[in-house]
Amino acid sequence: NAGVTQTPKFQVLKTGQSMTLQCAQDMNHEYMSWYRQDPGMGLRLIHYSVGAGITDQGEVPNGYNVSRSTTEDFPLRLLSAAPSQTSVYFCASRPLGSGETQYFGPGTRLLVL
Amino acid sequence: RKEVEQDPGPFNVPEGATVAFNCTYSNSASQSFFWYRQDCRKEPKLLMSVYSSGNEDGRFTAQLNRASQYISLLIRDSKLSDSATYLCVVGTNDYKLSFGAGTTVTVRA
Repeated sequence: NAGVTQTPKFQVLKTGQSMTLQCAQDMNHEYMSWYRQDPGMGLRLIHYSVGAGITDQGEVPNGYNVSRSTTEDFPLRLLSAAPSQTSVYFCASRPLGSGETQYFGPGTRLLVL
Repeated sequence: RKEVEQDPGPFNVPEGATVAFNCTYSNSASQSFFWYRQDCRKEPKLLMSVYSSGNEDGRFTAQLNRASQYISLLIRDSKLSDSATYLCVVGTNDYKLSFGAGTTVTVRA
């Protein structure tokens, strides 16, 4: 199993540009989520999904869109990048169930100029 | 108030020492508790789940105190490879996990 994969690893954007961060998992997990991690702060939930066709907002959803057309894929779209979106983005997946382990992708480092 | 708060450290300890640190959580309805480990510029990985009665995994011991709403992690006989940031993670029944900002531990030779 590849686990959770993310592309790209690094990206530099100009303010106002749009892009999609890709995330895929091959563990047949129902739950997938996107976090951002900034210095001195915990991981903050952007959006999450409990299954194909179902998405919901997390703690910091503004400026981001998601969709879940398949169990495997959960892309994150930045509609119009802003410098405040400079961060490290982690995608994660796990089975439903409160005690389940969450598996993270390797992260995408995004710099918005 | 943050949902999960941790002492950021850093805790600098010599090899072989014992180090312990806590995290507090604000939601009394929290149902699941974890410690994750994050190495520099890497993704977080599960270290251990935390159970109500407390649990050990080798040199690592986790405790949960629901009345005071904190969990703790103790590392015995520290190794250089234990140097990392330890994230406290708390879950409720709506699938969401809340992460602390992390406690940095540095083990020196």
